[in-house]
Amino acid sequence: GENVEQHPSTLSVQEGDSAVIKCTYSDSASNYFPWYKQELGKRPQLIIDIRSNVGEKKDQRIAVTLNKTAKHFSLHITETQPEDSAVYFCAASKTPHSILFGNEKLTFGTGTRLTIIP
Amino acid sequence: EAQVTQNPRYLITVTGKKLTVTCSQNMNHEYMSWYRQDPGLGLRQIYYSMNVEVTDKGDVPEGYKVSRKEKRNFPLILESPSPNQTSLYFCAVSGLAENEQFFGPGTRLTVL
Repeated sequence: GENVEQHPSTLSVQEGDSAVIKCTYSDSASNYFPWYKQELGKRPQLIIDIRSNVGEKKDQRIAVTLNKTAKHFSLHITETQPEDSAVYFCAASKTPHSILFGNEKLTFGTGTRLTIIP
Repeated sequence: EAQVTQNPRYLITVTGKKLTVTCSQNMNHEYMSWYRQDPGLGLRQIYYSMNVEVTDKGDVPEGYKVSRKEKRNFPLILESPSPNQTSLYFCAVSGLAENEQFFGPGTRLTVL
């Protein structure tokens, strides 16, 4: 099955600096890579995702890059703010869901606790 | 308003006492999952369901059961809970035509 590794496990950056979180995956058939943010005591929420036919995607201060050859993808947060402090999870799957293709579950990384230092 | 609800939100129980954590959604989505979250291990899938009466094991199914008799509900059953099932549990929902998983608020379970 799919294996997703995520680094670093903890990351502290000064407010205003950039943060980068990296993930690698094992299954070359994976084609969907979302990032979830979990604030303290809250549920995980999707912040950005990328599909394998795209190399980079941006949404304001957040960007995700994908290198299919190397099987790794990264989350980039620029101009960090205190509200960016949270745990971030990467994930990988073969989607869209289809009954025809059986289990296309999402495999998560182990998470990165990002702390923004004021 | 689209909602995924879980009950109870907090539960302290003892080894061997059967319990059920409920998950309900009003989004009419087909795909529902249960995850457990443990420090350093991330989110691991326990069971998932593609639709009514269609369920399958995830990565860590041992000690758990599920059922999907109705589209909106996906209860997680622990027949004989043990301390290693102490964890934070999340139900998640998504549609077959989309990828985003919507998580419930979580259930913190402690088994003594």
